[in-house]
Amino acid sequence: QVQLVQSGAEVKKPGASLRVSCEASGYTFTGYYIHWVRQAPGQGLEWMGWINPNSGGRKYAQQFEDRVTLTRDTSIRTAYMDLSSLRSDDTAVYYCARDREEWAQYPYFFLEVWGQGMLVTVSS
Amino acid sequence: QSALTQPPSASGSPGQSVTISCTGTSSDIGTYNYVSWYQQHPGKVPKLILYEVGRRPSGVPDRFSGSKSGNTASLTVSGLHADDEADYFCSSYAGNSGLLFGGGTKLTVL
Repeated sequence: QVQLVQSGAEVKKPGASLRVSCEASGYTFTGYYIHWVRQAPGQGLEWMGWINPNSGGRKYAQQFEDRVTLTRDTSIRTAYMDLSSLRSDDTAVYYCARDREEWAQYPYFFLEVWGQGMLVTVSS
Repeated sequence: QSALTQPPSASGSPGQSVTISCTGTSSDIGTYNYVSWYQQHPGKVPKLILYEVGRRPSGVPDRFSGSKSGNTASLTVSGLHADDEADYFCSSYAGNSGLLFGGGTKLTVL
């Protein structure tokens, strides 16, 4: 079945960097945009950016532009989200999510398949 | 750009209908039909229940419907079931700002 499997929970110190992985299975990895979304405890959803696994093209939300990098490795069907200079308010569950439309020229931003989420706690 | 505006809570009795609003601006909801709604039960992953304003993914019951007027989108849940109790988030494409989410609405089934 179609699924996205993310790496396990992590605890980080302020100022450290984070890498979250998202392994896809059950569909053509390069055919669908991957988005990254985070959710702070008890809060709403916040979009961080998208990557096109086929071309490598990407776009970041303005508030993360200087700290986030999205990459992918098509050989292992995995997308990555790197976030640097972590702060306590980066404590959140980080999700990868697949766009709904296949082989689209641009993302449609309909997040149909979600990873299970990765809890990241930033604390000294 | 600011998040979309949703009421923090909504409620209804089983069998009733409830509508949740999502207000944006002319830069997002008012211009684009790329409006989606997500349902999230406590401790669970968000689930796409409506996309492109009112289209339902396979498996989502037709009790869930969506509409848009001007800068405001709406989700209507008809014939409320106990398991409809969850948080609901709207989202909209916002051009160069990417994707905006609403703050979420906690739906309580009385």
